Amino acid sequence: KNEVEQSPQNLTAQEGEFITINCSYSVGISALHWLQQHPGGGIVSLFMLSSGKKKHGRLIATINIQEKHSSLHITASHPRDSAVYICAVFIGNQFYFGTGTSLTVIP
Amino acid sequence: DTEVTQTPKHLVMGMTNKKSLKCEQHMGHRAMYWYKQKAKKPPELMFVYSYEKLSINESVPSRFSPECPNSSLLNLHLHALQPEDSALYLCASSQEGKPYNEQFFGPGTRLTVL
Repeated sequence: KNEVEQSPQNLTAQEGEFITINCSYSVGISALHWLQQHPGGGIVSLFMLSSGKKKHGRLIATINIQEKHSSLHITASHPRDSAVYICAVFIGNQFYFGTGTSLTVIP
Repeated sequence: DTEVTQTPKHLVMGMTNKKSLKCEQHMGHRAMYWYKQKAKKPPELMFVYSYEKLSINESVPSRFSPECPNSSLLNLHLHALQPEDSALYLCASSQEGKPYNEQFFGPGTRLTVL
């Protein structure tokens, strides 16, 4: 069983749509990270959350510690948002990554 | 300077070669990481250095040998690799030597072992 589960695995959206990607984890954590990886490999850290909600431009990340669940929202999606979005948590002394959500935004 | 740089971007090597990957950051971060990522899979942690000391080695084969010469530099020495070691190798760094702090990733080195 994966410690971190993401859904959906793949997502296709029309430009302008509101997008939600979900992440659930199995045990207590110190922090959860949302990462973005574009084709070609580079990973960008979008958010690190330990409680509540963070917003950066069109991206919003929320976390519910009691329910062990986090969501990443993209408002007014754009083709340049097409990427793989990965959530990662630190449990014990190890980082655990979700399997990623591959997002394609069609013009 | 808020970036992590990695060289080379691409590397092709034979199974008998010895090569090194290099990672550098000038953000004053005291933790640095090596990850391996296969296609369509999430990154797998290989090594963590905290204050220039190896703190985590995730049972990585000895043909991968990390080195942290100073707080800004991280090397990964490669020797006698296998074709299944072909992957994207990512370096990252974070503040204060605590793994759960925000990590900054480099662009990666795409390694092909023939």
